[in-house]
Amino acid sequence: DTGVSQDPRHKITKRGQNVTFRCDPISEHNRLYWYRQTLGQGPEFLTYFQNEAQLEKSRLLSDRFSAERPKGSFSTLEIQRTEQGDSAMYLCASSPRWARENYGYTFGSGTRLTVV
Amino acid sequence: DAKTTQPPSMDCAEGRAANLPCNHSTISGNEYVYWYRQIHSQGPQYIIHGLKNNETNEMASLIITEDRKSSTLILPHATLRDTAVYYCIVRDSNTGNQFYFGTGTSLTVIP
Repeated sequence: DTGVSQDPRHKITKRGQNVTFRCDPISEHNRLYWYRQTLGQGPEFLTYFQNEAQLEKSRLLSDRFSAERPKGSFSTLEIQRTEQGDSAMYLCASSPRWARENYGYTFGSGTRLTVV
Repeated sequence: DAKTTQPPSMDCAEGRAANLPCNHSTISGNEYVYWYRQIHSQGPQYIIHGLKNNETNEMASLIITEDRKSSTLILPHATLRDTAVYYCIVRDSNTGNQFYFGTGTSLTVIP
């Protein structure tokens, strides 16, 4: 197992374009999380899946953002009509359901989005 | 929102112990203390966690005060690769599905 994979590592897009990021969690992990991190700040929670069900969404997840996990494995995060304020690192993490203490919360290396 | 207070930055000499403090005066009985670190351009990495007893693993030690209102992460022999931002987080493992990271402490290990 190679950990949590995110693709692409970097994305530059023009304002107003749509972008989609992909996250492949650790294979036996059924919980998947998306976070956003802006420069100089810690990661901020966006949303959480258990299997294919999206169970929690932050108020940071505006209606331009949508996340899916159609088969309970990989997940995608789409941002429509990107704005310069969307420029950030988008982090994905996964954990197994039994990890109540969640030390198994493993992060990927993130996708850095730059909106120009 | 973050429930912890950490100094924004610290320096430590290579080979010496790095002691990173964290205040969590409003911690409740069900909340654990977690430490993560983030090396530049990487995702956060789990270090250690604890409830009320001191904990030690291959990476670090966690000392939690008896009243649980503060804790200290100890890296016993800091190396240059320990230069990172260290986040102290309190979280209810029974109900919480997310971590509130705050801004952390930027530790610089000096040769």
